[in-house]
Amino acid sequence: GENVEQHPSTLSVQEGDSAVIKCTYSDSASNYFPWYKQELGKRPQLIIDIRSNVGEKKDQRIAVTLNKTAKHFSLHITETQPEDSAVYFCAASSNRGSSASKIIFGSGTRLSIRP
Amino acid sequence: EAGVTQFPSHSVIEKGQTVTLRCDPISGHDNLYWYRRVMGKEIKFLLHFVKESKQDESGMPNNRFLAERTGGTYSTLKVQPAELEDSGVYFCATRRYLRGGVDNEQFFGPGTRLTVL
Repeated sequence: GENVEQHPSTLSVQEGDSAVIKCTYSDSASNYFPWYKQELGKRPQLIIDIRSNVGEKKDQRIAVTLNKTAKHFSLHITETQPEDSAVYFCAASSNRGSSASKIIFGSGTRLSIRP
Repeated sequence: EAGVTQFPSHSVIEKGQTVTLRCDPISGHDNLYWYRRVMGKEIKFLLHFVKESKQDESGMPNNRFLAERTGGTYSTLKVQPAELEDSGVYFCATRRYLRGGVDNEQFFGPGTRLTVL
């Protein structure tokens, strides 16, 4: 079935350093890849997304890359700050028949920024 | 615009009891989804409504779960009877309809934390 794997499950980086979270997906029909950030006790919020016709997208300190051939996609956060501490979920979605648009999530990465 | 709201925020019930969760979507969002996160694991899809119709209910775990969206506005998710393994955070998310079926952002509610004792 459809599956998204996410690594690492926990990540601790020094403030100012970069953080990288990697995901792989199984459904070759996936064409939309959102990343959600969930702070403690709050709702998941979209921070960036990428579509399958694009290989890379950047928004300030956040960038995502997508390798469709390898079915890999990654989140890169540069110049990390304390407010980046949260759980990050990668996800994949596809347009296919009656299952169009449901999101398949990775298991999450708990990112901690050390001061 | 007001965001997706969910009620209650927390619910603690005993095994065998019934609980009904409610989700109010962003106005005009025809697509409504229910997801669940159990014990720190991934967020898992339960089902998808387009207006009042169930588009995909492939993620519903068993027949103890019943979702409705009468009138295509708010939705309810009832668990009857609740079991210990149903504990978790239940999220609702909504999305606008776009022609061509191109996916866009799903806006999540704050979730309902369900604890079954």
